[in-house]
Amino acid sequence: DAKTTQPNSMESNEEEPVHLPCNHSTISGTDYIHWYRQLPSQGPEYVIHGLTSNVNNRMASLAIAEDRKSSTLILHRATLRDAAVYYCILRAITNAGGTSYGKLTFGQGTILTVHP
Amino acid sequence: EPEVTQTPSHQVTQMGQEVILRCVPISNHLYFYWYRQILGQKVEFLVSFYNNEISEKSEIFDDQFSVERPDGSNFTLKIRSTKLEDSAMYFCASSGGLAGPTDTQYFGPGTRLTVL
Repeated sequence: DAKTTQPNSMESNEEEPVHLPCNHSTISGTDYIHWYRQLPSQGPEYVIHGLTSNVNNRMASLAIAEDRKSSTLILHRATLRDAAVYYCILRAITNAGGTSYGKLTFGQGTILTVHP
Repeated sequence: EPEVTQTPSHQVTQMGQEVILRCVPISNHLYFYWYRQILGQKVEFLVSFYNNEISEKSEIFDDQFSVERPDGSNFTLKIRSTKLEDSAMYFCASSGGLAGPTDTQYFGPGTRLTVL
């Protein structure tokens, strides 16, 4: 699996934008970039995904570099509820009879602390 | 909003005992997963399941582990003879499987397994 590198931790103030970087220099042409987050004492939660173009949804935006070797998750206005571990994951398709759409391989992620 | 549920929320067992962790995936989903997270460590993939068979498993998922979908709604993880090192949070996830590598996995709240 292609590897991702994220900072161990980041801090932000409430209501300010947060840019969470991820490096994935060995990404393959068919890998999608997914972001999940894990709030304290909860299961992981999907945030956003993209392939080449920048993406927006109600939770966040995803900015993908032109060479796809890095991406940035943008929280436009951080809230206390956004304090979590954020995981950047490359989604690989496995070909176990063509029926698996791939495990999620979690790294250590970035611990985001949001200050009031 | 549909969600993945897991029972029990906390299971305490003696080493060597069998445990069954239960999950109810989202009703129209086709792909089911188990992950685990040892305290303070990253989330690790265990197994994926589709069309009533295992489609992929990790090295962690040895002969002590088994999965089953005994009816149309439940998805279970059995650990035959628990070891101390099986103590972890176990997360079930499901996905619709209709969108290929963009497929989103929805995670349950987890079962904390404590092996004494």
